[in-house]
Amino acid sequence: GQSLEQPSEVTAVEGAIVQINCTYQTSGFYGLSWYQQHDGGAPTFLSYNALDGLEETGRFSSFLSRSDSYGYLLLQELQMKDSASYFCAVSRASGGSYIPTFGRGTSLIVHP
Amino acid sequence: EAGVTQFPSHSVIEKGQTVTLRCDPISGHDNLYWYRRVMGKEIKFLLHFVKESKQDESGMPNNRFLAERTGGTYSTLKVQPAELEDSGVYFCASKAGLSSGANVLTFGAGSRLTVL
Repeated sequence: GQSLEQPSEVTAVEGAIVQINCTYQTSGFYGLSWYQQHDGGAPTFLSYNALDGLEETGRFSSFLSRSDSYGYLLLQELQMKDSASYFCAVSRASGGSYIPTFGRGTSLIVHP
Repeated sequence: EAGVTQFPSHSVIEKGQTVTLRCDPISGHDNLYWYRRVMGKEIKFLLHFVKESKQDESGMPNNRFLAERTGGTYSTLKVQPAELEDSGVYFCASKAGLSSGANVLTFGAGSRLTVL
């Protein structure tokens, strides 16, 4: 089976840097991905790591360490609009395709 | 291109009634997924279609849930009869082919189901 752990809530101030951690257990690893969801909206894809190291996309970066079964999402220059839930997900293989399994999500609250 | 569309956005029904949720994926996307999120918990996988075939339905909670994707286009998820614990937000997501990225799903905004 698969399981993921991430903090339930993180708070930070505008302009700051925040890191959201994710640890996972999985049988068969096919990458760690991150999604953002604003209240009432659709989860949207942010980032994906298949190999160890850091992936940078604008203000957002994602890191993976496969040996530690650990990853994080780093958000820089926080803006109020970054207040949302952030989900990490690991994929398992299923019949030639992949099924992402999601964590419980981290609610990020950005204060002015 | 149009995104993933789900209908209805919110449904309130009484225990024992039937509800049918609909998902229109991005045109041409062979892969269609259903997920559910109960408040405060994870986004839990329900099932996965490749075109009209159920590829993986290991997450379907019980036989009160029936998903179909006739013709490999839109999909429906029927709950009959609904129970209180079925309340939550039902998300649909789609993805093109296997080469489009292992983890990049495009989600709809979800259908919120409230069972009273």
